Amino acid sequence: ETVMTQSPATLSASPGERATLSCRASQSVGRNLAWYQQKPGQAPRLVMFAASSRATGVPDRFSGSGSGTEFTLTISSLQSEDFEVYYCQQYNKWPLSFGGGTKVEI
Amino acid sequence: EVQLSESGGGLIQPGGSLRVSCAASGLSFGNYAMSWVRQAPGKGLEWVSTINGGAGNTYYADSVKGRFTISRDNSKNILSLQMDSLRAEDTAVYYCAKDITPLHYMDVWGRGTTVTVSS
Repeated sequence: ETVMTQSPATLSASPGERATLSCRASQSVGRNLAWYQQKPGQAPRLVMFAASSRATGVPDRFSGSGSGTEFTLTISSLQSEDFEVYYCQQYNKWPLSFGGGTKVEI
Repeated sequence: EVQLSESGGGLIQPGGSLRVSCAASGLSFGNYAMSWVRQAPGKGLEWVSTINGGAGNTYYADSVKGRFTISRDNSKNILSLQMDSLRAEDTAVYYCAKDITPLHYMDVWGRGTTVTVSS
């Protein structure tokens, strides 16, 4: 089983600042890594796939990088709508697995 | 527009059974793998199960293997999850999601249905 570990659990930042979220896999997942954003009471929304490809409609202030076991989601300039919870997910091997999430708070 | 709508959640006693369903529209349903992902109150996302488009292959998390059964009716665009021997730790919002096939990340999600296992 591939264990996904996200850090930090909570990231405190101000609008306009840069945010860097980390995701580590317990074994290599290649570039088979997705990121999701979740607002309270809502379903997750796909943000990034294949480690660095933005999903449809995602602003270009979001970028992803990494491969193997270390991945990063960067938000270049935080907007008010970005202060949510973010999850990474590996889809390289069964069972699929999610990280524990990073909450980006003001 | 692809839409997914879950139903069938509710309050069930430990040891009981429940079937949740997901109605899909706006897509060629049989062409896509579908997944169930759950979220316990105040917790993160947990993958539960996936079924491929032809329903030939199914996958389960260890936490539900032997108790849950995923199935689909491609003629009716319905995805289902039969949950038996329910435990308190199965309490969660259950989301159905469309997979990007043949990869298995999820690009469309339903709003979820709440399952509460309690006496």
